[in-house]
Amino acid sequence: AQTVTQSQPEMSVQEAETVTLSCTYDTSESDYYLFWYKQPPSRQMILVIRQEAYKQQNATENRFSVNFQKAAKSFSLKISDSQLGDAAMYFCAYSDGGSQGNLIFGKGTKLSVKP
Amino acid sequence: DGGITQSPKYLFRKEGQNVTLSCEQNLNHDAMYWYRQDPGQGLRLIYYSQIVNDFQKGDIAEGYSVSREKKESFPLTVTSAQKNPTAFYLCASSWGYSNQPQHFGDGTRLSIL
Repeated sequence: AQTVTQSQPEMSVQEAETVTLSCTYDTSESDYYLFWYKQPPSRQMILVIRQEAYKQQNATENRFSVNFQKAAKSFSLKISDSQLGDAAMYFCAYSDGGSQGNLIFGKGTKLSVKP
Repeated sequence: DGGITQSPKYLFRKEGQNVTLSCEQNLNHDAMYWYRQDPGQGLRLIYYSQIVNDFQKGDIAEGYSVSREKKESFPLTVTSAQKNPTAFYLCASSWGYSNQPQHFGDGTRLSIL
């Protein structure tokens, strides 16, 4: 069975600095997709970024980028120029090609941003 | 605006009581999902439905039931068989393809009286 592991329960970053959140996954599939979701204190889950496994190029969305290492099964999220509004729980999620959209989530990393 | 509406925002259950959480979407998505979130546990899948009148158990379906009579609605019933129902419940929807993200509602917090 596929698993997703986020090894950092909590992280902290200074405002305007850069932080990287780690995520590793275990799968024997070759066709899959990876996602990072943000859950602010309001509790609504918001999609941050998405990566297709068949793409070698790392996905980027404004200040958010990923470091996708397929061989290592690693999918880290880098947040540049951190802002106070980035403070949230961040969840890494996996979906394989045959899952019809079902997601497997990691346990999350709580990010604090210090002014 | 298109989105997912969950209600109520807070819900209290008495011993032996069944309660139903509502989830409605107007995104015209085919697939809908229910997750349970506990502190330090991430999101765990309870039930999902890819099409009207059909649904499948997720990882923690015991003590829960669902129905999918309409495309836009996917209510979750927490039965008295669920001995530890206190949690945050999130509903989501998607087009049902692996490359498409899920869209989430604002959640329902369920507590025991």
